[in-house]
Parts: sequence; C-alpha cells; structure tokens
Amino acid sequence: AQKITQTQPGMFVQEKEAVTLDCTYDTSDPSYGLFWYKQPSSGEMIFLIYQGSYDQQNATEGRYSLNFQKARKSANLVISASQLGDSAMYFCAMTLGFNGGATNKLIFGTGTLLAVQP
Amino acid sequence: GAVVSQHPSWVICKSGTSVKIECRSLDFQATTMFWYRQFPKQSLMLMATSNEGSKATYEQGVEKDKFLINHASLTLSTLTVTSAHPEDSSFYICSAIKGRMNEKLFFGSGTQLSVL
Repeated sequence: AQKITQTQPGMFVQEKEAVTLDCTYDTSDPSYGLFWYKQPSSGEMIFLIYQGSYDQQNATEGRYSLNFQKARKSANLVISASQLGDSAMYFCAMTLGFNGGATNKLIFGTGTLLAVQP
Repeated sequence: GAVVSQHPSWVICKSGTSVKIECRSLDFQATTMFWYRQFPKQSLMLMATSNEGSKATYEQGVEKDKFLINHASLTLSTLTVTSAHPEDSSFYICSAIKGRMNEKLFFGSGTQLSVL
C-alpha cells in the first residue's frame, strides 16, 4: 500500500536560516509524483514544489528545493533563508502515475508545523 | 490569483439540514476534481473523485448517500452534506487538475463546516 510519512510533528527555525522537513514514502509503483504543500492558518493549500519519480535532477522553486533520494524513498523539503511568513503547516504528498493524469489522487502525510522565530 | 474557487468559506448549520459546497475552476476546464476532508490538526483525507458527466468515485468508508457529489459541468463540482450531524463538522477542501500533468493540481480555499 502507498504511504507517506512525516516524522516531525513540529519544528522551530530561526529567521534567515535554512530548514529541512522530512518526508519518506512507500510505493511499489515505479511512476509517481511527490509534492509539497503549505497550509497557513487560513486553510488554503499552496503548491510549493513537485518531483517526478523519473526526474534526474532535484526540483527547485525559488527558496524551496526537494532533496529527492529515490533509493531511500525520501523527498525532504529544504527551505532556505526562512521568513516569518513561512510559518505554516507543511504537507508532503504523493500521487501515482503520470501518464496523462490517469491517477491523480493525492496521498498526504500527517504534516509538519513549522514555526519561524525572529 | 486563485484558479480554483470554493464557496462558502465557512458555514454553520443546524443538525439535520443539508449543506452544499461549490468548487469552481476559474480559467480552465476540469474533468476531474477531488474532495478532501480535514479534521483539526490532521492530514487531508480523500473522500471522493468527482468526474464530469459521470458518477463520483468514493473512497472506502465514505458514505455516498451522505456526501452527494455532482459534477455537472467542466468547471463546477458540488459536495452536498445531507442531513448533517455534529460529527460531520470538518474542513472540506476541493482540488482540480489543470491540464494533463500531475503537478497542475490546484486547491480551493476550503470550507469550514460547523454543525450545531
């Protein structure tokens, strides 16, 4: 069965420092996509970054980068130069298959609450 | 700006009444939308996949007669919580696929339902 695991319920980070949020996944399907979403207190889900299982390079989007280690089945999110506005809940998610979007159901981890301290 | 609009943002209703939540894709056609439920301080749980022009696909344990989903057009899916009870109080959020690539998944802003 497919599963996403986030082992850090909460984390603190000092403003301007980098932080890594852990995510491991489990699937026997060779085709999958990994996502990170940010959920502030308002509740909306904000897409941050995507990594396909066949992508050769780690995904990067501005201050966000995904440390994709396929053999270890990990997809950690790295946020560089943390800002106060980064304080939120962060969810790692996985979807299976990307052959034209045949399967796009997202399986979410339990989330990590990040608090950025001034 | 937002590409998926969800309405209402919050709703309070009496036990036994039905509540309809709308999810609209604003500038694209979405043949598939998803409905999730999130309890406080918990993760999102997929409830059902809404397919335009056909019946929704419900996840195991989700009552299809309780949570009616209608995807009558390419830009609108609705979730109706029928005969709501306090245990149905939760945060409901929809998502829609833009294009054919997995990464183009956009979420609505969510609806907080409180059943008294």
